[in-house]
Amino acid sequence: QKEVEQNSGPLSVPEGAIASLNCTYSDRGSQSFFWYRQYSGKSPELIMFIYSNGDKEDGRFTAQLNKASQYVSLLIRDSQPSDSATYLCAVYNTNAGKSTFGDGTTLTVKP
Amino acid sequence: DGGITQSPKYLFRKEGQNVTLSCEQNLNHDAMYWYRQDPGQGLRLIYYSQIVNDFQKGDIAEGYSVSREKKESFPLTVTSAQKNPTAFYLCASRRTSATNEKLFFGSGTQLSVL
Repeated sequence: QKEVEQNSGPLSVPEGAIASLNCTYSDRGSQSFFWYRQYSGKSPELIMFIYSNGDKEDGRFTAQLNKASQYVSLLIRDSQPSDSATYLCAVYNTNAGKSTFGDGTTLTVKP
Repeated sequence: DGGITQSPKYLFRKEGQNVTLSCEQNLNHDAMYWYRQDPGQGLRLIYYSQIVNDFQKGDIAEGYSVSREKKESFPLTVTSAQKNPTAFYLCASRRTSATNEKLFFGSGTQLSVL
């Protein structure tokens, strides 16, 4: 079992729809959770981070964390074609001092 | 402007050759990381360092070596023992003051085998 697993893609949604990206993790010692967006051939850029149970909203993006279920998600409302990219879930463990990434979910938003 | 500089952008390795990828940061970050990314996959940790003159193996350290002689620099050497080195290599750094500190990434090095 991988330490961080993301829902298999690719994911395709029409413009204006809600895109839902999911991630589960196995290390209960993980403290912080990050969503990065990566365009092809480019380096990842941070979209959101969350470290407390519940929801965290930033514009069109909402991150949700449930530590009991070891589950974190990212919702993108009013999806735009420019949101088309690969989304990487990353889990940080302070004791280990490192971040572990999932394999990513590729999102395509169709005009 | 502060940031992370990786060089070169593209690198070609011949059979049996060692090559070194450069990573320099001027963000005054304590922790630095090297990740490897294969097509269609996520980032896998090669080596990381949380302090000068100390580093730890990540999940796929075999065939790679690093040094951390200065806070600003964390070069990665891909040795001839790494039989499948073709990949996109990303260097990253972060502050260690809090758990919610994000990773800052360089622009990456694409390594290919001739």
